[in-house]
Amino acid sequence: QEKVQQSPESLIVPEGAMSSLNCTFSNSASQSIWWYQQHPGKGPEALISIFSNGNKKEGRLTVYLNRASLHVSLHIRDSQPSDSAVYLCAVSRETGNTGKLIFGLGTTLQVQP
Amino acid sequence: DPKIIQKPKYLVAVTGSEKILICEQYLGHNAMYWYRQSAKKPLEFMFSYSYQKLMDNQTASSRFQPQSSKKNHLDLQITALKPDDSATYFCASSQDNTQNTLYFGAGTRLSVL
Repeated sequence: QEKVQQSPESLIVPEGAMSSLNCTFSNSASQSIWWYQQHPGKGPEALISIFSNGNKKEGRLTVYLNRASLHVSLHIRDSQPSDSAVYLCAVSRETGNTGKLIFGLGTTLQVQP
Repeated sequence: DPKIIQKPKYLVAVTGSEKILICEQYLGHNAMYWYRQSAKKPLEFMFSYSYQKLMDNQTASSRFQPQSSKKNHLDLQITALKPDDSATYFCASSQDNTQNTLYFGAGTRLSVL
């Protein structure tokens, strides 16, 4: 059974700082890795995904994937109070899958003005 | 306007009763899903449907029955409710059941007394 673990559990950063979130997964054959953002009382919203080893940048977000170490990280540059939310890491299980994503417990990010 | 509508937003039920959670999506997607989020647990995959056909069922109990009357509807019937069923149930959709972004509704928060 695929496991997804996220660290830290919670993170407090000042406005304008870099926020760095980590995720490890248990199966190197996992396909895409996704990061979702969830605000209180709302459903998760997809932020960015990565499939290949290396990094991918979209706006203030950068994600790094290292399949050998089963590790993916999300970095938010110039963090804003509106970035305060729970960040969920999710992996898809296999090619041509049934849309199943395995989620971690999340990292709660608080950006202080 | 929300593109995935879940009704009701909050639901209180008594043990042993039956409830139906409603989900409609207006994104023109062909795949729909149900996920469950319980306290202290990761978001958990329950079902996936593609073109109104069941693709994957990860719920151990037959008390949970998805119902797809139209391509953009996927309701969830839960019978013989138990307190352990208390959770937020999220409906999601994607273009199809391959490596696509999942779009989530705002959830139905179910409390079973």
